[in-house]
Amino acid sequence: NAGVTQTPKFQVLKTGQSMTLQCAQDMNHEYMSWYRQDPGMGLRLIHYSVGAGITDQGEVPNGYNVSRSTTEDFPLRLLSAAPSQTSVYFCASTTLGAYLKGGYTFGSGTRLTVV
Amino acid sequence: GQQLNQSPQSMFIQEGEDVSMNCTSSSIFNTWLWYKQDPGEGPVLLIALYKAGELTSNGRLTAQFGITRKDSFLNISASIPSDVGIYFCAGQGNNDMRFGAGTRLTVKP
Repeated sequence: NAGVTQTPKFQVLKTGQSMTLQCAQDMNHEYMSWYRQDPGMGLRLIHYSVGAGITDQGEVPNGYNVSRSTTEDFPLRLLSAAPSQTSVYFCASTTLGAYLKGGYTFGSGTRLTVV
Repeated sequence: GQQLNQSPQSMFIQEGEDVSMNCTSSSIFNTWLWYKQDPGEGPVLLIALYKAGELTSNGRLTAQFGITRKDSFLNISASIPSDVGIYFCAGQGNNDMRFGAGTRLTVKP
């Protein structure tokens, strides 16, 4: 099925561990982004990419790295997990033509707990 | 950064009732959007608004883009149990999309 696929759905990390959250889309979307969702705060943009080889920071980028080697994949890396990174993470994508119109397709999320 | 204030935070209504929620911002947005999130899923786009003053409907949903470009509202008429979820407003600026904190809707049969 076409869409945005995120793995894993759930993850528990110890403080200081590293991990990569995977995001893949098969709609040939140029724009991809990562958001985190915390209670009472809505979704906040972490990093985004407008195409392979191009990434940029969003509102809350500290503690996260991204890369975009292919159009399909946009992994999010936590280099040294902290309890403050406990959150639900969403990946979203859209075409560049729809980017400024905000019609994003979201994945189903990764729930991360850092203990 | 740009902040979106969404209200109410939660609503408990009876099936068949109408619902209204709104979103305000201190900044101007080019596009206002309304998303719905079901438990365990990502947000799904309900309505997108592109012009100040624009009023758009999608079935039982109606949304408006405020004339000042700093606010928007969403109405749901004749609510049904499957309307349960969290509704987010979002404003699209020049570089990114900002979200409100959400309105959690509970519909009692």
